[in-house]
Amino acid sequence: SQQGEEDPQALSIQEGENATMNCSYKTSINNLQWYRQNSGRGLVHLILIRSNEREKHSGRLRVTLDTSKKSSSLLITASRAADTASYFCAPYALYNFNKFYFGSGTKLNVKP
Amino acid sequence: DVKVTQSSRYLVKRTGEKVFLECVQDMDHENMFWYRQDPGLGLRLIYFSYDVKMKEKGDIPEGYSVSREKKERFSLILESASTNQTSMYLCASSLRQGNQPQHFGDGTRLSIL
Repeated sequence: SQQGEEDPQALSIQEGENATMNCSYKTSINNLQWYRQNSGRGLVHLILIRSNEREKHSGRLRVTLDTSKKSSSLLITASRAADTASYFCAPYALYNFNKFYFGSGTKLNVKP
Repeated sequence: DVKVTQSSRYLVKRTGEKVFLECVQDMDHENMFWYRQDPGLGLRLIYFSYDVKMKEKGDIPEGYSVSREKKERFSLILESASTNQTSMYLCASSLRQGNQPQHFGDGTRLSIL
């Protein structure tokens, strides 16, 4: 399946520091999406990067995509306690026919 | 904003019961999904529907069935609940095109005793 694998599994940082999470996948994709999940809640879409894009920004989020290495990274700058959540990547290929395959996520803890 | 509403946040049922989990979305999305989420296993797709009365099996359909009689509503049915179906269940919806984001409900934490 087209599952993304997030790394590290858990990350603990101080407020104000930057947080970097990585995602690796196995086959060619058309786009890759990142989602956030607060404890006990559903996932929330953060950002989508297309296969022909290398970098994308949204507020304090910066996503990179390296299709040659089949990897993506999510950088959260100047993190806040409210960023504490689990983060998931979802690589997508057209042959998935609308289905996403989520991994186990990176659990980010931002200490105040 | 898209709203996906799951009927219960918490549910406790007994082994052998038939359990219904309901999901409603208000944005006229064609696609709807049911996932279960377990620690260490991530989200796993149970069933997917791309139109009314249409359904496709996901990775773990055994023990589950679904119903989509109206576009806005997608129901997950546990035919005879078992303890290994204790989990967090998440419903999502999206537009037909596969590159569209999925919008999730807040989940139903189901315990089977």
